[in-house]
Amino acid sequence: EVQLLESGGGLVQPGGSLRLSCAATGFTFSNYGMTWVRQAPEKGLEWVSSCGSGGTTYYADSVKGRFTISRDNSKNTLDLQMNSLRAEDTAVYYCAKGSTSQSGYIDYWGQGALVTVSS
Amino acid sequence: EIVLTQSPGTLSLSPGERATLSCRASQSITSSYFAWYQQKPGQAPRLLIYRASYRATGIPDRFSGSGSGTDFTLTISRLEPEDFAVYYCQQYANSRYTFGQGTQLEI
Repeated sequence: EVQLLESGGGLVQPGGSLRLSCAATGFTFSNYGMTWVRQAPEKGLEWVSSCGSGGTTYYADSVKGRFTISRDNSKNTLDLQMNSLRAEDTAVYYCAKGSTSQSGYIDYWGQGALVTVSS
Repeated sequence: EIVLTQSPGTLSLSPGERATLSCRASQSITSSYFAWYQQKPGQAPRLLIYRASYRATGIPDRFSGSGSGTDFTLTISRLEPEDFAVYYCQQYANSRYTFGQGTQLEI
């Protein structure tokens, strides 16, 4: 059974930093692209960043230069380092598994980690 | 950037009725990376349909997807009480994802 478990969410002040982690089990992690998707309160889904199985990274324009995605295929973990956080980054952040080595459609989602940016 | 536009924004129906949800892309997209998701309050999205017309594991056959190019449809043949939720379409192309804004299916 595929499981994705996010950790690291919390309250942070504007301009601060936070690191999210996602622990993956139930599939061969190194074979699939992984993605972070966020959902602001009462809003829709927004793609944040993806990392291919080989480590190639992609970012939405709204987070480029501030967020860094990384993966450790030996530990089956996906991270998202978030710097220079803004109020508009407040959201539930979902770790998600892609259907291919690059990404493809998303076939599994974690339960999400809440990030609140507020003073 | 490819924009996905879902319609209607809200769909009010009763159990037993048929629901038809639409997703239109701003340019032609590959069906291979097109999917539909269901999201209930306080829960993560769940994959319903992938590659435009294939049901995900465990999804009842009252859910079906169709379409190609720029126009895609999710149909729920006979609504059950547990089907009332928000539905999102999604596509993946050029190393980025886009999502539709969602359709709220309400009783």
